[in-house]
Amino acid sequence: DTGVSQNPRHKITKRGQNVTFRCDPISEHNRLYWYRQTLGQGPEFLTYFQNEAQLEKSRLLSDRFSAERPKGSFSTLEIQRTEQGDSAMYLCASSSAGDQPQHFGDGTRLSIL
Amino acid sequence: DQQVKQNSPSLSVQEGRISILNCDYTNSMFDYFLWYKKYPAEGPTFLISISSIKDKNEDGRFTVFLNKSAKHLSLHIVPSQPGDSAVYFCAARLYSGGSNYKLTFGKGTLLTVNP
Repeated sequence: DTGVSQNPRHKITKRGQNVTFRCDPISEHNRLYWYRQTLGQGPEFLTYFQNEAQLEKSRLLSDRFSAERPKGSFSTLEIQRTEQGDSAMYLCASSSAGDQPQHFGDGTRLSIL
Repeated sequence: DQQVKQNSPSLSVQEGRISILNCDYTNSMFDYFLWYKKYPAEGPTFLISISSIKDKNEDGRFTVFLNKSAKHLSLHIVPSQPGDSAVYFCAARLYSGGSNYKLTFGKGTLLTVNP
């Protein structure tokens, strides 16, 4: 299967801990997006990469959040000093250049105890 | 302020009948609209899309209609099948510079197709 892959699928951690999620996009896709989805809401845009360059960050992305895509392939999203409000599904999507739809992974569900 | 609205949290239809899911938007700068389907414990799956310069796009049982003057789009599924039961998200694309085409999603509509 060559879809978008996200790991881990679930993460449970205590408040104040750091967590890191990984996203492997579809191999030929140079665009990568992170979204966050909370209960009863649609996904909300967090940040966007074209190749290794992070070109946009949402106001939702506080200073505790950082994302990287070091070689223009996989990406990581790190949350430092987690808070209760960080509990959500974190979704990664990728697309190729042009008018192509974004394809999503199955997400990482983060639960903060 | 929600720019993409799906005002029906849920919809129930009989197998074989038509399902119509609605979506309204407020930002006239959106240039592309997409529908995604989501099963529990899975990520959203792309279903169908439409450019803002068109008013209809059809793919098999799925048709999306766009009414720009009303800022309204709808997804028609005919005939509906039990396997179509899922949450459907309407999404709108906005070019925000630097080649970023980020999506703004509605809250979703849970479709249940009864056998």
